Amino acid sequence: GQNIDQPTEMTATEGAIVQINCTYQTSGFNGLFWYQQHAGEAPTFLSYNVLDGLEEKGRFSSFLSRSKGYSYLLLKELQMKDSASYLCAVRGPTGGGNKLTFGTGTQLKVEL
Amino acid sequence: GAVVSQHPSRVICKSGTSVKIECRSLDFQATTMFWYRQFPKQSLMLMATSNEGSKATYEQGVEKDKFLINHASLTLSTLTVTSAHPEDSSFYICSAGGTGSGEQYFGPGTRLTVT
Repeated sequence: GQNIDQPTEMTATEGAIVQINCTYQTSGFNGLFWYQQHAGEAPTFLSYNVLDGLEEKGRFSSFLSRSKGYSYLLLKELQMKDSASYLCAVRGPTGGGNKLTFGTGTQLKVEL
Repeated sequence: GAVVSQHPSRVICKSGTSVKIECRSLDFQATTMFWYRQFPKQSLMLMATSNEGSKATYEQGVEKDKFLINHASLTLSTLTVTSAHPEDSSFYICSAGGTGSGEQYFGPGTRLTVT
């Protein structure tokens, strides 16, 4: 099975940097995804890591360490619109149908 | 990027009735689609994997006779909630893609309220 942990809530200041951590214990691993979800809307894709290291995409970066079962999402130059839930999801092995297992999500609140 | 649509976006039905939700991949073909359910302030829970031309694969604890899935074409999967009850009220989201190194593309979701 899959067990994915994220902090429930975080608060940060506009213009600052915030790091959202995700740890996972899985029976198979074929990539880790980060999604952003605003209330009442579907998740939107932010980043994907399958190899160890840092992936940078504009204001968002994501890091993965497979040996530690650990990932983080880094958001820079925070804006008010970044207030949302951030979901960490692990994809299972290819033979398992590419299923995603989601963490509980981290609700980020950006304040002035 | 790829676009996935869902219809309806919101539906209110009476207890005991059935509701059908459609999920379409608009600009790509999807042999596999996924159906999720999300309760307020909780994460997405995978209900089933919908496979074009074959039976859906349900997650443990999801009643296949209650949540009927049909994936008749490469661009359309439907989820029918049969004999709906208030506890079935939730946000239902479909996704498509996710093969190879690609991400899953999510539909906008359907808010179901059973009264």
